[in-house]
Amino acid sequence: EVQLVESGGGLVEPGGSLRLSCAASGFTFSYFWMSWVRQAPGKGLEWVAQIKSRADGGTTDYAAPVKGRFSISRDDSKNTFYLQVNSLKTEDTAVYYCATLGVSGYWAFDYWGQGALVTVSS
Amino acid sequence: QSALTQPPSASGSPGQSVTISCTGTSSDVGGYNYVSWYQQHPGKAPKLMIYEVSKRPTGVPDRFSGSKSGNTASLTVSGLRAEDEADYYCTSYAGTNNVFGTGTKLTVL
Repeated sequence: EVQLVESGGGLVEPGGSLRLSCAASGFTFSYFWMSWVRQAPGKGLEWVAQIKSRADGGTTDYAAPVKGRFSISRDDSKNTFYLQVNSLKTEDTAVYYCATLGVSGYWAFDYWGQGALVTVSS
Repeated sequence: QSALTQPPSASGSPGQSVTISCTGTSSDVGGYNYVSWYQQHPGKAPKLMIYEVSKRPTGVPDRFSGSKSGNTASLTVSGLRAEDEADYYCTSYAGTNNVFGTGTKLTVL
């Protein structure tokens, strides 16, 4: 059974930093691209970042609002990937979901974690 | 990259059909057959309902169907049931990134 478990959310002051983690199980983690998607309170889903598999170059892509402030990485030995969030703004307050891309063999976010709440407030 | 445009709300009575649109550009929806749809109930993680424009994952009822014409994708829910009441989001691959729709709240009357 595929499982994704996020951790690392919390309350942080504007300008602060956090590292979100997503521990994966139930599939061969190193084969697949992974993504972070966020949802501000009462708002819609917003794609944040993705990291490709090592076989596909391990490269990263970011949404414009977070580029230069957020960094996605992965540790295939730990079946875990991360989102380092720096220079946080109040508008970054959201539930952050980790998601797999293509584990089921097709192009879509097919499995999701339960979400980690990041609150940016003074 | 701007969000894909969805109607804020849609509704129908049990047993009826409802279609939700998702309008993008030739750089996203119109350029790739990588449109997917997600259902989200309050307080829950999104659930994949349609992938690659019109395909259903195992376990998703065939009451859910997808299509695309030009820069607009559509999700149709037939035979509406009370449990279909939720928020629905489209998303499309857009080259080096992905873009979500603005979301549609589906109400079953």
